[in-house]
Amino acid sequence: AQSVTQLGSHVSVSEGALVLLRCNYSSSVPPYLFWYVQYPNQGLQLLLKYTSAATLVKGINGFEAEFKKSETSFHLTKPSAHMSDAAEYFCAVTPGGYSTLTFGKGTMLLVSP
Amino acid sequence: ETGVTQSPTHLIKTRGQQVTLRCSSQSGHNTVSWYQQALGQGPQFIFQYYREEENGRGNFPPRFSGLQFPNYSSELNVNALELDDSALYLCASSFRQGDTGELFFGEGSRLTVL
Repeated sequence: AQSVTQLGSHVSVSEGALVLLRCNYSSSVPPYLFWYVQYPNQGLQLLLKYTSAATLVKGINGFEAEFKKSETSFHLTKPSAHMSDAAEYFCAVTPGGYSTLTFGKGTMLLVSP
Repeated sequence: ETGVTQSPTHLIKTRGQQVTLRCSSQSGHNTVSWYQQALGQGPQFIFQYYREEENGRGNFPPRFSGLQFPNYSSELNVNALELDDSALYLCASSFRQGDTGELFFGEGSRLTVL
């Protein structure tokens, strides 16, 4: 079984500041990990994914995440926040293959001018 | 390449009614998954369809049912609607053959039950 914990339901940053959204996972097998973003009244868009290749994964819109097996973490970062980054972010885990994704509860990112 | 499309985008029903939501999978994808996203929550897995058969189900009662058609499109049916069924229903497609589990989502159907 797998699960995801996202620390902080809301994160507030100023424009230009570092963005850090935390995700810890639990999985009985080596996991595949994903970050999705959801803008208001829209579906989920894939930001990036970890599929057991490089542990530092780069995604769209300047986001990246690092897989740390020892810490069972997959935190999402962006060096400089932009107003357009304001959205809800979901971390998800799967053992892959024929299994489906298990999502965290999400973190709402608020960006102030 | 055509993405995942869902219809209708919004609908309002009353308690006890039945609803059907529709999903067209992305071109080349053979698997469809349905998720329920209640307000302020992450998506919760309802079920998955592969080759027209249900293949995996989350913790949802039998009044949630589905179909997958030969062209891989899918329907989600919910009978005897309850107030708590109000949510965004997301359809996601994927190509299921040793894949990494990545899902491609539609925009969702927002259901309001009064």
